[in-house]
Amino acid sequence: DIQMTQSPSSLSASVGDRVTITCQASQDIRKYLSWYQQKPGKAPKLLIYDASNLATGVPTRFTGSGSGTDFTFTISSLQPEDIATYYCQQYHNLRTFGQGTKVEIK
Amino acid sequence: QVQLVQSGAEVKKPGASVKVSCKASGYTFTSHTLHWVRQAPGQSLEWMGWINGGDGDTKYSQKFQGRVTITRDTSARSAYLELSSLRSEDTAVYYCARGGGTMVDWGQGTLVTVSS
Repeated sequence: DIQMTQSPSSLSASVGDRVTITCQASQDIRKYLSWYQQKPGKAPKLLIYDASNLATGVPTRFTGSGSGTDFTFTISSLQPEDIATYYCQQYHNLRTFGQGTKVEIK
Repeated sequence: QVQLVQSGAEVKKPGASVKVSCKASGYTFTSHTLHWVRQAPGQSLEWMGWINGGDGDTKYSQKFQGRVTITRDTSARSAYLELSSLRSEDTAVYYCARGGGTMVDWGQGTLVTVSS
């Protein structure tokens, strides 16, 4: 099974800050990685697919990059509505999610 | 627009089985895969398996092999997750999600509580 290691597990940042989350796969997953946002009590929402493609309707302050085993998710300017937990997910072989990163406002 | 509407919350005793449904609308049901993902309280997301809406082919996470069955009824535009031999650790919100590789659309979730 492919393992996904996501870090940090939580972070606190100010409105307007740049926020970066990383995700490392236990083996080469090429570009087959998505990022999701989940707010409390809600279903996850797709933000990024194929490592760097923005899903429909998602603000451009969200970006993704990487390939192979190392991936990065960035919020260029943190907004109050971005408070949520973010998950990476690989789909190279079956499906695996990272452990999540809880983003809070400082 | 795409909608996935799941059945209501369930309370089950240890050792019992549960069946959760997911009714789809807004797209061609037989052209897409439906996944089942669960989330225990305070925990991450965990993929359980998928079903091909067209041919009914399924694939399960090894963790749940032997305990999980995913089926579909094309006439009802619905997919079903059945989990057997329930234990307390199966208490979670269960989601269906549409998508091939990535999961584009999600149901609202169904809380399954396993308690004696």
